[in-house]
Amino acid sequence: GAGVSQSPSNKVTEKGKDVELRCDPISGHTALYWYRQSLGQGLEFLIYFQGNSAPDKSGLPSDRFSAERTGGSVSTLTIQRTQQEDSAVYLCASSPSGSRYEQFFGPGTRLTVL
Amino acid sequence: DAKTTQPPSMDCAEGRAANLPCNHSTISGNEYVYWYRQIHSQGPQYIIHGLKNNETNEMASLIITEDRKSSTLILPHATLRDTAVYYCIVPFDMRFGAGTRLTVKP
Repeated sequence: GAGVSQSPSNKVTEKGKDVELRCDPISGHTALYWYRQSLGQGLEFLIYFQGNSAPDKSGLPSDRFSAERTGGSVSTLTIQRTQQEDSAVYLCASSPSGSRYEQFFGPGTRLTVL
Repeated sequence: DAKTTQPPSMDCAEGRAANLPCNHSTISGNEYVYWYRQIHSQGPQYIIHGLKNNETNEMASLIITEDRKSSTLILPHATLRDTAVYYCIVPFDMRFGAGTRLTVKP
């Protein structure tokens, strides 16, 4: 079956612009996670959605970052007024109900802020 | 910060067993230990998880100490394609840490 998909695969933007990154989780998966990974670094947790519960936003690095999950499926990560330090690969993962921790990752979106 | 600590890098000869350690001394009684790996330029891939018993699947074995403060991931016959960064995580924390970069050498 289809895995987690993310779009765009690559995004180049200018400093100060807003960007939106999209994640389509595996159908039926109730949990959705966003991470980012800077070059040569480990994964940095950003935000976690589980069903209709309030999202865990504890990993968002600043108020320029926000995320939504509409209809319990597709999620959009928005970065406002992008900075060069926002350049990274942004990874999305989903996991099925009852198995919160077996995460299936998408291919990521590589964001480059010039 | 991640609740786990791992060595930053390890080497292993092709065909030999790779033993990857992880310390999770602050783990609580109902927290599982999960292992993932990330091959260059790809998203992380789930490997195995366990609570207190040793586990084995088609990819690897997981040995968890009796006090649950540490665990070891074992790749019984490492191949060149097993070269990757291996992450040990305690999921309630949701922090992957830096992982161990395993290099399998011919």
